[in-house]
Amino acid sequence: AQKVTQAQTEISVVEKEDVTLDCVYETRDTTYYLFWYKQPPSGELVFLIRRNSFDEQNEISGRYSWNFQKSTSSFNFTITASQVVDSAVYFCALSSAFGNEKLTFGTGTRLTIIP
Amino acid sequence: DAGVIQSPRHEVTEMGQEVTLRCKPISGHNSLFWYRQTMMRGLELLIYFNNNVPIDDSGMPEDRFSAKMPNASFSTLKIQPSEPRDSAVYFCASSRRDSGEAFFGQGTRLTVV
Repeated sequence: AQKVTQAQTEISVVEKEDVTLDCVYETRDTTYYLFWYKQPPSGELVFLIRRNSFDEQNEISGRYSWNFQKSTSSFNFTITASQVVDSAVYFCALSSAFGNEKLTFGTGTRLTIIP
Repeated sequence: DAGVIQSPRHEVTEMGQEVTLRCKPISGHNSLFWYRQTMMRGLELLIYFNNNVPIDDSGMPEDRFSAKMPNASFSTLKIQPSEPRDSAVYFCASSRRDSGEAFFGQGTRLTVV
């Protein structure tokens, strides 16, 4: 069975601080995908990134960066110089690469950026 | 592209009534997913289709729930009869098979009173 754990339920930081959201996963698959989604107050789920299990290179996109470490089964997400617009619930998710893309979600981390 | 379109955005109904949620996936996507989000259980998969065929409905909570995908551009999730504990946000998502990336609709907030 697959499982995603986001131990941080809520995080609050002051604007312009850096913040890291943790994600730990469990799977028996050798090939899998990891995702991060953002759910702003408006409620929609916004895709942020997908990472293949064979690609352990860290990725940076603007103020966002992701650290994938297979050895510790972690896929952490860092926001640099946070902004109020970053306030949202962030979900880490996992899917098998074998023939389907159904997602197993973590419970989410509610991030609040204080102006 | 308009993205995944769900209707209605909000639905309030009385216990015992039939509720039908609708989804139009992104054109060209051949996988479609129905998820439910509640405070207690978070985001959970109810059912998904590949090429209009239901593949895994193990997440459907009870026989009161049913889903159909009569063609590649339309799917419904029906609850009959509805109960207060069905109150949740229901998301539809679509993807290209094996692409590893699902795009979500804006969700339908269902309230059963």
